[in-house]
Amino acid sequence: KAGVTQTPRYLIKTRGQQVTLSCSPISGHRSVSWYQQTPGQGLQFLFEYFSETQRNKGNFPGRFSGRQFSNSRSEMNVSTLELGDSALYLCASSLGGRLTDTQYFGPGTRLTVL
Amino acid sequence: KQEVTQIPAALSVPEGENLVLNCSFTDSAIYNLQWFRQDPGKGLTSLLLIQSSQREQTSGRLNASLDKSSGRSTLYIAASQPGDSATYLCAVLFGNEKLTFGTGTRLTIIP
Repeated sequence: KAGVTQTPRYLIKTRGQQVTLSCSPISGHRSVSWYQQTPGQGLQFLFEYFSETQRNKGNFPGRFSGRQFSNSRSEMNVSTLELGDSALYLCASSLGGRLTDTQYFGPGTRLTVL
Repeated sequence: KQEVTQIPAALSVPEGENLVLNCSFTDSAIYNLQWFRQDPGKGLTSLLLIQSSQREQTSGRLNASLDKSSGRSTLYIAASQPGDSATYLCAVLFGNEKLTFGTGTRLTIIP
C-alpha cells in the first residue's frame, strides 16, 4: 500500500506570494492533518480534516487555510507569505482520525520564503 | 498550559546497549500518546501508539509505557543499533483534542 505523498517536495517563494501544498493520504484513510515544523517552534498542529470537514484547528492566523476533497486528498494554502513561514510542512493521514488511530506522515514539503 | 517535555535533548550510547527515552506531559487528561522517529530532513515514522486506557505497547525491540497519573511515558530500546540513530519525538493528544509534540531527543548510537 502506498504511503502518504506530498507535492511538491521543495518550494521557494518570495514574501507576499501565496502557495498551495498538496497531500494524498494512504488509500482508505479519511483523516488528514497538517503540521508545521521549524527549528525554533518544533512541530505544531495546523488543522485536521475528516470527510471534507475541518475538525480541529491549531493556533495559526487565517492566512493558513486548507480543504479536503471527496477522495480525501487535501490541500493547504498559505497567503501573503512571510519570512517566518519558511518551514517543513508535514501532512499525516489516519483511518478514523487523530483521536484513536495511528498517524502516518508524508515526507513533507520544504517551503523557503525569501 | 499543556506542555510536553523530552529530556535529554541529545543522547549518545554505544551500540548494543539498552536505553530509555523520556517524555513528560502536564495534563493527565489525554486521548493517546504516540512515539515517532524522524531522520534528518525526512518526515516522521510512527513507532508506537498508546491509547489512554493502555499501560504499554511493544513492537520488536521497542517498548513504550504510559503512566497518566504521573504524566510520563518512556520508550525503551533494546540492543541498540546504529540504524536507531535519529530524533525521537513523543506527541500527546490531550483531552481538548490539542496535539502537542515534544522537542525530541536526538539519539546517536556509537558503533
